[in-house]
Amino acid sequence: DAKTTQPNSMESNEEEPVHLPCNHSTISGTDYIHWYRQLPSQGPEYVIHGLTSNVNNRMASLAIAEDRKSSTLILHRATLRDAAVYYCILREGTSGNTPLVFGKGTRLSVIA
Amino acid sequence: NAGVTQTPKFRILKIGQSMTLQCTQDMNHNYMYWYRQDPGMGLKLIYYSVGAGITDKGEVPNGYNVSRSTTEDFPLRLELAAPSQTSVYFCASSLPWSGGPQETQYFGPGTRLLVL
Repeated sequence: DAKTTQPNSMESNEEEPVHLPCNHSTISGTDYIHWYRQLPSQGPEYVIHGLTSNVNNRMASLAIAEDRKSSTLILHRATLRDAAVYYCILREGTSGNTPLVFGKGTRLSVIA
Repeated sequence: NAGVTQTPKFRILKIGQSMTLQCTQDMNHNYMYWYRQDPGMGLKLIYYSVGAGITDKGEVPNGYNVSRSTTEDFPLRLELAAPSQTSVYFCASSLPWSGGPQETQYFGPGTRLLVL
């Protein structure tokens, strides 16, 4: 499985934008970039995913570098509820049963 | 929809005891997964299933067994509990992955297991 590299932790002030980086220099052409997050004492939840183009949804935006070797999850206005561990995961796109492989993720702290 | 439900929420086992962690989903998902998460670590895949009657090993299957007799249920069995199995266990389900947002994994709330 292709690997991702994320900072162990980041801190943000409430209501400010947050940019969570992820490096994936060995990404293959069929790998999708997924982001999940895990709130305290809960199971992970899906945030967003993309292949080549930038993506937006109600939770966040995903900016993908042109060479696809890095990506950034953008939370436009961090709230206290966004404090969580964020996982950047590569998932091969052409097989129906490729499980998610979780690293340690980035622990985001949000300061009021 | 209740989504993915897991029981029990918390359990203490003695070394050598057995138990079954229950997982049920009501989204008619073909795929189901069991993960474990040790403190401060990411999730590791134990077993997964692509449909009733079909299961396969993940990264850390030793000490566990699974079965999938229905689409809805995917129980995880610990036969001889060991302290190394102290962890939080998450069940998840999904449709077959082919790139769409509807095919993401949905996780249950977890079962916290302590083996003493």
